[in-house]
Amino acid sequence: GEDVEQSLFLSVREGDSSVINCTYTDSSSTYLYWYKQEPGAGLQLLTYIFSNMDMKQDQRLTVLLNKKDKHLSLRIADTQTGDSAIYFCAEIYTGGFKTIFGAGTRLFVKA
Amino acid sequence: NAGVTQTPKFQVLKTGQSMTLQCAQDMNHNSMYWYRQDPGMGLRLIYYSASEGTTDKGEVPNGYNVSRLNKREFSLRLESAAPSQTSVYFCASSEVDNTEAFFGQGTRLTVV
Repeated sequence: GEDVEQSLFLSVREGDSSVINCTYTDSSSTYLYWYKQEPGAGLQLLTYIFSNMDMKQDQRLTVLLNKKDKHLSLRIADTQTGDSAIYFCAEIYTGGFKTIFGAGTRLFVKA
Repeated sequence: NAGVTQTPKFQVLKTGQSMTLQCAQDMNHNSMYWYRQDPGMGLRLIYYSASEGTTDKGEVPNGYNVSRLNKREFSLRLESAAPSQTSVYFCASSEVDNTEAFFGQGTRLTVV
């Protein structure tokens, strides 16, 4: 079945780059999303990439998609303490109301 | 600019009690969803409503019922709560199926 896997924790120093990785098993998804969840809050869409793209850049965020290896990554440049949160990758299948979420990566940013 | 509003934010139930989680969105979205979030796991879809008047089961529907009361409101009911239903519940809405979903702040439910 479909599965999305992420490492559970990542710790970086303020000002460094963070790279959060995600692997997935089913390549028939339409979009791949990155959501951010701050403590006590719901998920907020950060960015997304169509499954036919390789890269998307959005200010400090860079999303890379390697379809051959079924690997998705989110790079946050110049990581700030405000970036501390849980980051979820998700595969979206349009037309079927199906979204498969990873378990989330908790990012700790040390000052 | 409320977005998706869930009530209550916190709830403790005894095993066997019933309750309804409320969700309302003010974005005129067609689709609404209920998810549960458990430690170490991604969000899992309980039920969804593609449009007003329709509801369908998601990945983990057992023990739950839903009502799409109107376009704005989508409620989740636990008829007889069990400790396995201890979780954080999120409601979400989107314009059409699985485009950008907007999430509520969550309801933390504990069943003792």
